[in-house]
Amino acid sequence: NAGVTQTPKFRVLKTGQSMTLLCAQDMNHEYMYWYRQDPGMGLRLIHYSVGEGTTAKGEVPDGYNVSRLKKQNFLLGLESAAPSQTSVYFCASRGTSGRQTQYFGPGTRLLVL
Amino acid sequence: DAKTTQPTSMDCAEGRAANLPCNHSTISGNEYVYWYRQIHSQGPQYIIHGLKNNETNEMASLIITEDRKSSTLILPHATLRDTAVYYCIVISRRRDNYGQNFVFGPGTRLSVLP
Repeated sequence: NAGVTQTPKFRVLKTGQSMTLLCAQDMNHEYMYWYRQDPGMGLRLIHYSVGEGTTAKGEVPDGYNVSRLKKQNFLLGLESAAPSQTSVYFCASRGTSGRQTQYFGPGTRLLVL
Repeated sequence: DAKTTQPTSMDCAEGRAANLPCNHSTISGNEYVYWYRQIHSQGPQYIIHGLKNNETNEMASLIITEDRKSSTLILPHATLRDTAVYYCIVISRRRDNYGQNFVFGPGTRLSVLP
């Protein structure tokens, strides 16, 4: 099992450019999450999904869109990148058992100039 | 979800036990205590979780006080590779809690010293 993987690992964008971050999990998990982490801070939830074809807003959703067309993939899109979106982005997934344990990917480091 | 408070930083000598405290005085009866850690720039790694009883796995032990208002994560023989930020998180055990994110506060920065 690869667990949770993220693509790309690092990206530099110019203000106004768009990009998509890909998260993939091979654990057949129903729930998937996107977080961002700014320097010296904890993680903040951007969007999450409770199943294929469903998404919902988290704590800091503005400027991001997501899609869950396949159960194993969760995409995070930036339509018009801003410097304030410079951050490290983490994806996580969780199964539907009573346990709340989330498993995290290695992260995508994004720099917006 | 209940809020948690942790010390900002701690040091521990290599080979000794590292005891990381967490206060969660407003925890309710249906909330778990979870511990994660984040080694520099990597994704958070699950360590252990518990509800009422003390728990032990291959990584650590979790001691929860009888009133559940605080807990301690114990790394029995800390190594240099245990240097990381450790997060204590409280989250509802409700089955419909799929949307509730883990609230990662600042955590405790543990430095294991040679």
